[in-house]
Amino acid sequence: GAVVSQHPSRVICKSGTSVKIECRSLDFQATTMFWYRQFPKQSLMLMATSNEGSKATYEQGVEKDKFLINHASLTLSTLTVTSAHPEDSSFYICSARQRGGGNTEAFFGQGTRLTVV
Amino acid sequence: AQSVTQLGSHVSVSEGALVLLRCNYSSSVPPYLFWYVQYPNQGLQLLLKYTTGATLVKGINGFEAEFKKSETSFHLTKPSAHMSDAAEYFCAVSLNTGFQKLVFGTGTRLLVSP
Repeated sequence: GAVVSQHPSRVICKSGTSVKIECRSLDFQATTMFWYRQFPKQSLMLMATSNEGSKATYEQGVEKDKFLINHASLTLSTLTVTSAHPEDSSFYICSARQRGGGNTEAFFGQGTRLTVV
Repeated sequence: AQSVTQLGSHVSVSEGALVLLRCNYSSSVPPYLFWYVQYPNQGLQLLLKYTTGATLVKGINGFEAEFKKSETSFHLTKPSAHMSDAAEYFCAVSLNTGFQKLVFGTGTRLLVSP
């Protein structure tokens, strides 16, 4: 199956700093990438949808200026958590939809555990 | 708008016993339905999906699910549980008009005892 690589898998940062998370589709072109946030023992909540070459669409309640998403190429999307605070600590997961008509599956990265201290 | 309800945040079974994880959905249009598995500190792996056609869908690791439109259900089953099946399972729905965003259920943790 298609592979999505997410980096880093774990990151610890100081409060007030920014952290960038990368999501790469390794063996396919991804027209759309999705960013999710997962709180401990809870489900995944969609944060935003990004399409290559255009601005991301954020879900209601997600601060676009805090969670910057860039989808500069068909294989790379980045999520930058700006001025991170302890409440931003969470598990962030990306997924990517393969380019091509009729494709019904999105492939998930392995996730990034962010801890803000 | 779509939504997914997973009954039971935890399900415990003995090794070798039947696994049944429940999922009900609501959707104003015919949905695409998915089951994913998540191991600790990892991303999600697709177990199986229903898009169109046969309502009984077989997936990886011996899992299967049946789409029942009349019951708006998509329950996940496995005849015989293995210890390695212990994980978090998520049911998800998306619109079938192109691949829209996934809406996930709250998840069910499967515990398998020897």
